[in-house]
Parts: sequence; C-alpha cells; structure tokens
Amino acid sequence: NAGVTQTPKFQVLKTGQSMTLQCAQDMNHNSMYWYRQDPGMGLRLIYYSASEGTTDKGEVPNGYNVSRLNKREFSLRLESAAPSQTSVYFCASSGRTGGWTEAFFGQGTRLTVV
Amino acid sequence: DQQVKQNSPSLSVQEGRISILNCDYTNSMFDYFLWYKKYPAEGPTFLISISSIKDKNEDGRFTVFLNKSAKHLSLHIVPSQPGDSAVYFCAARNNNNDMRFGAGTRLTVKP
Repeated sequence: NAGVTQTPKFQVLKTGQSMTLQCAQDMNHNSMYWYRQDPGMGLRLIYYSASEGTTDKGEVPNGYNVSRLNKREFSLRLESAAPSQTSVYFCASSGRTGGWTEAFFGQGTRLTVV
Repeated sequence: DQQVKQNSPSLSVQEGRISILNCDYTNSMFDYFLWYKKYPAEGPTFLISISSIKDKNEDGRFTVFLNKSAKHLSLHIVPSQPGDSAVYFCAARNNNNDMRFGAGTRLTVKP
C-alpha cells in the first residue's frame, strides 16, 4: 500500500549540478503535482500534470523541467541547481471517482544546494 | 501571485477550546477547497474538503465553512486536542485540477 513514493529522500548538490527527482504513484490517479515548501511560503506549485501526456506550469516553474513518463510516474529535473532551489520537494497525485479526490502526498525530498 | 492566503502564521489555543483557522482566495475559478495537516518530516495529509456548491461540511470534530461571496473559508476544530498541534494548509483547486496552497498556520494546542 505504497501510495506516492518519492526518491531520493535527501540530496546534497553543488551549484550547477543536475539531478532528477523521481515520483511514482500506485493509485491509478490521473493528476500529479510537484510542490516545493520553504519556510513562511507554504507549498508552492512548480508544475502539474492534469492527465497523462499533459504538463502545465505552476507558480514557480523557472529552473525546473518535468516529464510525465507514464500514468504512474512524474519526474522533476533541475538542469543547473542553484542555492535558491534548496527546499523540501513534495510530489502529489489525485484521481477522479465521480468528482476529483483529494491529493495524496509523498514523504518529501529534502534538497540542499551548496 | 499568491492566490490562496493564510494570514495567520500561528495560533495557540487551550485544550478543549475551539480552534478557528482562516483562509482567503482570490481566484474565482476555484471550485473545490481542501484542508491539509502536516507534521514535521512528513508529507501533508488530507483532513477535510468542501465543494463550492456547499457552504459547510462537517466531519467529526472538524468543520469547514465556505463564504463564496467573500472568497473566504475557515476550519473549525472543536474540541481542540494536543494531538491537533501541527501546521494546517488551506488549498484550492480549479476544474483543470490546478491546486494551490496557502502559506500554512501553525496550530499549538496547550494541555
């Protein structure tokens, strides 16, 4: 009963390095999201995918790219990491049973860029 | 553009009393509203939601009120318990499933 699984849980990058955060859900949900959480800023939407094959920008997309690999997986890529991208990243998914369900979140990835 | 706002960063209440957490939104295209609870080092967990066609939804000790004309919603917790101490996030979603969150309110319930 995994729900939403994010990898890795922790990561330290040097400025300019690239990395991909992975997210997978096993609930057959159509929509997936990437958020970042910063102190005093709450959860800010980076990108979301309303359904397989579509992606849309959220509030803070600059410096990120996403790939909806299939219905289960939604990855977030940092091409050239910057200290301003130090944050906790959360992936979420939501489905549709009649109306939309609530979103379920992963445990988060704590990223530090030095 | 912060479309969902929680203007109180923190709230402290006594055990057994009512906790009222507030949330305002600016985008009239939002049609579904949710509250999430978050503990440190964990992902947010869903608490309660309300559709824009309703003005109240109740689930045990938790009640969410929606005032569409004021673009305002609130979460009432009665009675508050020490285990309710956490950060509470308000969220709003449109029909394209774009979902935005507020900055959160840290609730502390004192025994």
